[in-house]
Order: sequence, then C-alpha cells, then structure tokens
Amino acid sequence: DQQVKQNSPSLSVQEGRISILNCDYTNSMFDYFLWYKKYPAEGPTFLISISSIKDKNEDGRFTVFLNKSAKHLSLHIVPSQPGDSAVYFCAASASSGTYKYIFGTGTRLKVLA
Amino acid sequence: NAGVMQNPRHLVRRRGQEARLRCSPMKGHSHVYWYRQLPEEGLKFMVYLQKENIIDESGMPKERFSAEFPKEGPSILRIQQVVRGDSAAYFCASSAQGRSNQPQHFGDGTRLSIL
Repeated sequence: DQQVKQNSPSLSVQEGRISILNCDYTNSMFDYFLWYKKYPAEGPTFLISISSIKDKNEDGRFTVFLNKSAKHLSLHIVPSQPGDSAVYFCAASASSGTYKYIFGTGTRLKVLA
Repeated sequence: NAGVMQNPRHLVRRRGQEARLRCSPMKGHSHVYWYRQLPEEGLKFMVYLQKENIIDESGMPKERFSAEFPKEGPSILRIQQVVRGDSAAYFCASSAQGRSNQPQHFGDGTRLSIL
C-alpha cells in the first residue's frame, strides 16, 4: 500500500534549466509534506516543507507547490545546478497521527553541465 | 558537529547474531525516529520514541526487533537473530518536538550487512 508515490525514478535536466519533481499521495489525512535530498552513503537532508493550509512555499531556488484536490505536490528547482544531482524523496505526515513520515521511493535527479 | 550521530556506520553480522545500532539525537532534541531503507526503495518508518517511552512502534516487525531511548545515552535499535533480509540501511532522525510541524533531521545511517 504505497500512500506516497514518486512515479518518475529518474530525471535529467540541463544546468540552468528548471527541474520539476512530482509526488502523489492517497491519504487525505496527510497535512504536512516535505522534500529531502539524499546523496549516496549519506542521510536525507531536509530541503523544504509545506503545510496543507498553503499551496506554495518558496526558499531560494526551491519552491514546493501543493494541490490538495489532486493530492499532488511538486518541487521546482530553478536554476538547476550540477550540485543538485541527488535522489529526492517526498514525505508526508498526518497531525492526527504521530507525525511519522511516509516516504516516496525517490527520484534520481541528474543535472547535466 | 551537533547533528544526528549514528554508529557504527557499517555493521557486518552473521546470521543468528545480534545487531545493535546507536543513535544520538541533535542537541536539544528528545524525539527519535528510526527508519529502514531497502535497496532501491524509500525509507520505511519503524518506531518513534521519546525519552524512556515508545510512542509509535507500528512499523516494527513483531519479532526480533526492539528499540529503546533511555533517560541517559543514545537510542538503541536492537535486532536479535539477524537474517539476510535484515540487510538494509537504518536511519535515525530526531526532532525538538514530537507531534508538530518541525522537520526531522536525519543521521547518515548504519549500513547493516548480514553474511
């Protein structure tokens, strides 16, 4: 039962262009969403989050959009840089629960110089 | 470095042995979460602990796995009588408050290999 889905296992983008990573969820109780970046042999690093009371949150080059009716969120990286090459995980949690995170399976982003 | 510290980074065990994984949360954090990542998969929640209490263990296998977070010292994830299927990366995360919209911060994990 995959409650959080990242349907694109990989994505290649040219340096300087926009990277768009997508995530879908099925549980309507989720009200807090996060994106993490992970390099090999390291732990996930928190990037950006969004609460369900918002539809957009921006932090520098990173913007997360939330479409509650579609149960869809996306991460935009503009402009993309080679150092952004990593695996990106979206995660979701429910304030009605214990805030454990449910993770997607990740999207491997490769930014080409 | 005041980040989440996990040790050992790599652990090799033979089938039937015990594995003990340690996690020291970030300074000031009293909430600890353990996750497991199998190859090519996302992280799967195992257990959430606050000092001396297990808050949510819904992701823990019913047998052989246990976790604790004592008043003093690190959180320990213990796997008894390990089997090949326990081979995975185990990540610990911590937060200052549980049940809140504060991001969890992760350690670099322990990679467990079962021979």
